Amino acid sequence: EVQLVESGGGLVQPGGSLTLSCVASGFSFNDYGINWVRQAPGKGLEWISYIPSIDPTLYYADSVRGRFIISRDNAKNSVYLQMNSLRAEDTAVYYCTRGRLVTMTGSSYKGMGVWGQGTTVTVSS
Amino acid sequence: DIVMTQSPLSLSVTPGEPASISCRSSQNLLHSNGNNYLDWYLQKPGQSPQLLIYMGSIRTSGVPARFSGSGSGTDFTLKISRVEAEDVGVYYCMQALRTPRTFGQGTKVEIK
Repeated sequence: EVQLVESGGGLVQPGGSLTLSCVASGFSFNDYGINWVRQAPGKGLEWISYIPSIDPTLYYADSVRGRFIISRDNAKNSVYLQMNSLRAEDTAVYYCTRGRLVTMTGSSYKGMGVWGQGTTVTVSS
Repeated sequence: DIVMTQSPLSLSVTPGEPASISCRSSQNLLHSNGNNYLDWYLQKPGQSPQLLIYMGSIRTSGVPARFSGSGSGTDFTLKISRVEAEDVGVYYCMQALRTPRTFGQGTKVEIK
C-alpha cells in the first residue's frame, strides 16, 4: 500500500523546537519530491516546504523560512521537518504529501496524490 | 506569489443536481509545455485532503467520472455532474506552477 505516515507532533512552548517525521512506503521514495502542507484549526491549506528527489535546492514559504529546515534520508524512506523558534501561529495539523516524480529518464507531475494522516503541532504556553 | 481565488466559498446542493466551483489565479498557469499546473483537492470531514484532478483536467486514479476539470490560463472550473452525499467537504484548487505553491480559500460543499 502506498502511504505516508507523519509523527512527531505535540505541545511545545513558544520559542521551542520540534522535529516532524514522514515515513514513506509502497513506492520508490527516492524518485519523489516531498512537500509539507499545514492546516491551522478551522483554516485552509498552506504549503510550507518542499524537498526534491534529486535537486539539492530546498523550498520554503516565507512564513517559515529561516526557522524550519526540511531534510530527507533516502535510506530510511523518510523526510523530516525541523521546526525552530515556534510561534502560536504555527499551531496546525502538518501533512506530508508526495510531489513530483524525477527519474533518470525525465520528470512528471501528477498532483499531490498521496497525503499522510497528519500530525498535530500545538504551540502554547 | 500567485494568488488563487475560489468562488463560491460555500455551496448547498441537492443530491443528483450539478455543482460548479470556479478558481482564478493571479498569474497564467499555462506552462510552455502546454500543461496547466492547476490541481483540485477535496477534504472530506475529518480526513486528509485527497487529489481529484491535476493539470487542470486529468482525473487521478479512482476519482469518479462525475468530477471534471476545465479551463486554461487563469480561469478554471471544477464540475460535479450529479452530486452525491459522499461529495460533501471542502474543495481546494492549488497552483503547482511556481513555488510557493498556493491554495484557494476552499469551497465548502454541503447537501441540501
